[in-house]
Amino acid sequence: EPEVTQTPSHQVTQMGQEVILRCVPISNHLYFYWYRQILGQKVEFLVSFYNNEISEKSEIFDDQFSVERPDGSNFTLKIRSTKLEDSAMYFCASSVREHSNQPQHFGDGTRLSIL
Amino acid sequence: SQKIEQNSEALNIQEGKTATLTCNYTNYSPAYLQWYRQDPGRGPVFLLLIRENEKEKRKERLKVTFDTTLKQSLFHITASQPADSATYLCALDAAGGGNKLTFGTGTQLKVEL
Repeated sequence: EPEVTQTPSHQVTQMGQEVILRCVPISNHLYFYWYRQILGQKVEFLVSFYNNEISEKSEIFDDQFSVERPDGSNFTLKIRSTKLEDSAMYFCASSVREHSNQPQHFGDGTRLSIL
Repeated sequence: SQKIEQNSEALNIQEGKTATLTCNYTNYSPAYLQWYRQDPGRGPVFLLLIRENEKEKRKERLKVTFDTTLKQSLFHITASQPADSATYLCALDAAGGGNKLTFGTGTQLKVEL
């Protein structure tokens, strides 16, 4: 079964450094998402992306965050200047179509640790 | 703002019994409700979706109900197995539409032999 893949599985970064998290969504999916999960807390929506632009973003997704689809397969999340509170699991997801009546398929996440 | 509540306490049941997990929501009437399974260190895995005009949905040993009057969804696993042990997440569509999912904190289920 096709799956969403994320790299790296674990990223350790010094506070203030830039980090790029990478995702390869399922090939025929058109909608892409990033969520995060702080340890012991719930999964939180960050941003959704369609047709090369952001379609929705949360309050968490401030100017330090950006997303990009640099080619036909990759989908990236960049955090420009990391803070300690950015430490979390970051999940990429994709769906065939828009709207919450569609299942979202998640990758296994990147654990981001900010020192 | 919309609020989703799932039992924060873990649910321990014996193999072969039916597990029932609860998702309550307030301040909103979702059009769709989804259930996901999450294993430690893994991403959520989609299980079932139910629409507001559906009272019940089944898939193999899984059953979901959606009561828009009580603002509650129940998730049942019949003939539970140790392999069903995981955290189960309820997710709702966002107020105002769109494709964002709002998740509950999840309920950890442990099925014992």
